[in-house]
Amino acid sequence: EAQVTQNPRYLITVTGKKLTVTCSQNMNHEYMSWYRQDPGLGLRQIYYSMNVEATDKGDVPEGYKVSRKEKRNFPLILESPSPNQTSLYFCASSFVAGAIDTQYFGPGTRLTVL
Amino acid sequence: AQKITQTQPGMFVQEKEAVTLDCTYDTSDPSYGLFWYKQPSSGEMIFLIYQGSYDQQNATEGRYSLNFQKARKSANLVISASQLGDSAMYFCAMREGRYNQGGKLIFGQGTELSVKP
Repeated sequence: EAQVTQNPRYLITVTGKKLTVTCSQNMNHEYMSWYRQDPGLGLRQIYYSMNVEATDKGDVPEGYKVSRKEKRNFPLILESPSPNQTSLYFCASSFVAGAIDTQYFGPGTRLTVL
Repeated sequence: AQKITQTQPGMFVQEKEAVTLDCTYDTSDPSYGLFWYKQPSSGEMIFLIYQGSYDQQNATEGRYSLNFQKARKSANLVISASQLGDSAMYFCAMREGRYNQGGKLIFGQGTELSVKP
């Protein structure tokens, strides 16, 4: 089944404790992104990747790191989480078909930083 | 300035009636794409429909259609014959530039639709 998976789905942690949210897609998509969703703000892009070893900042990259060592994986790293990073996080992957680049989203990771 | 604006935080519609969810956008790029996503209470993001800036006709996908008015910079989603399962948050999103730019989407704030039996 074609899908984007994220782990963990739920995480409660404390300020300053490094964490990684994994993202994997099995569709051989070139593009992958991370978004955070906050009430009243919609989704905002954190980082995106156009291919292996090619990443760039989105609109809200502060406090986050990413890497793309393999095409299928795009982990999101919070080196020192803070309470303002409490949010719902989505990983997405996309490809181009007929000039349409539809993004497919993972199920989301709900993060709480105490 | 907001690039994607959804002015209806919440809407109600009677089952089996049609409903229009508003979306206006702002871009100076002649090439862009407009997307609508549905987010049910379970949280996943479901792609509904896409409209390219150069597409001459309004996009349609089953009960979903996109009313694209380029001069007015609006891309309203029309859901015909609403069903109870349509109750969800709906997001309008835009991709500026051509489709092979890396996949960055800019989202609106969302509209919460409730379908009444």
